[in-house]
Amino acid sequence: AQSVTQLDSQVPVFEEAPVELRCNYSSSVSVYLFWYVQYPNQGLQLLLKYLSGSTLVKGINGFEAEFNKSQTSFHLRKPSVHISDTAEYFCAVSRTNFGNEKLTFGTGTRLTIIP
Amino acid sequence: DADVTQTPRNRITKTGKRIMLECSQTKGHDRMYWYRQDPGLGLRLIYYSFDVKDINKGEISDGYSVSRQAQAKFSLSLESAIPNQTALYFCATSDPASWGADTQYFGPGTRLTVL
Repeated sequence: AQSVTQLDSQVPVFEEAPVELRCNYSSSVSVYLFWYVQYPNQGLQLLLKYLSGSTLVKGINGFEAEFNKSQTSFHLRKPSVHISDTAEYFCAVSRTNFGNEKLTFGTGTRLTIIP
Repeated sequence: DADVTQTPRNRITKTGKRIMLECSQTKGHDRMYWYRQDPGLGLRLIYYSFDVKDINKGEISDGYSVSRQAQAKFSLSLESAIPNQTALYFCATSDPASWGADTQYFGPGTRLTVL
């Protein structure tokens, strides 16, 4: 079975500073990787996903993530954050030879932007 | 109008009561899911359905049941609610464009409190 570890439960960052949210995964087979964002009082929405090809994936709202197979990581980055980025961010993984029912979520990282 | 809607948005009930949470979608997707979110635990899959006649248990199905009334409707029932079922419940849909790589689309959530 696969698993996802989000190392930081809360990350406070000053506005316009860079941010990195860490995600590590474990799986015995190849995986697809996802980052979802949950804004206050809303459901989750997809930020970006890695399926194959280039290890640097660009998503919405200026976010990007890099797949590192040797370190089994998929860290999310943004060079300059805004107040509107305040949200909870979830990393998720699914195995490539199974259906999407095997999507496994991490425990989430709450990003707080300090004005 | 939202693509995935959930009713009710908030519900307070008592131990032992039967509760139904409803989900409707206008995205035309075959796949639907029910998750629960608990602080510090992320999202965990309760049930999923690939079409009207295909319903499967997720990792935490005990104490829950579901009904897929139509392609657009997927209901979650708690036959006899207990306090540890207090959580935020999300419905999601996906269209299997690529096996295992689906993007999931989430509803706004139902906050359930069992006293």
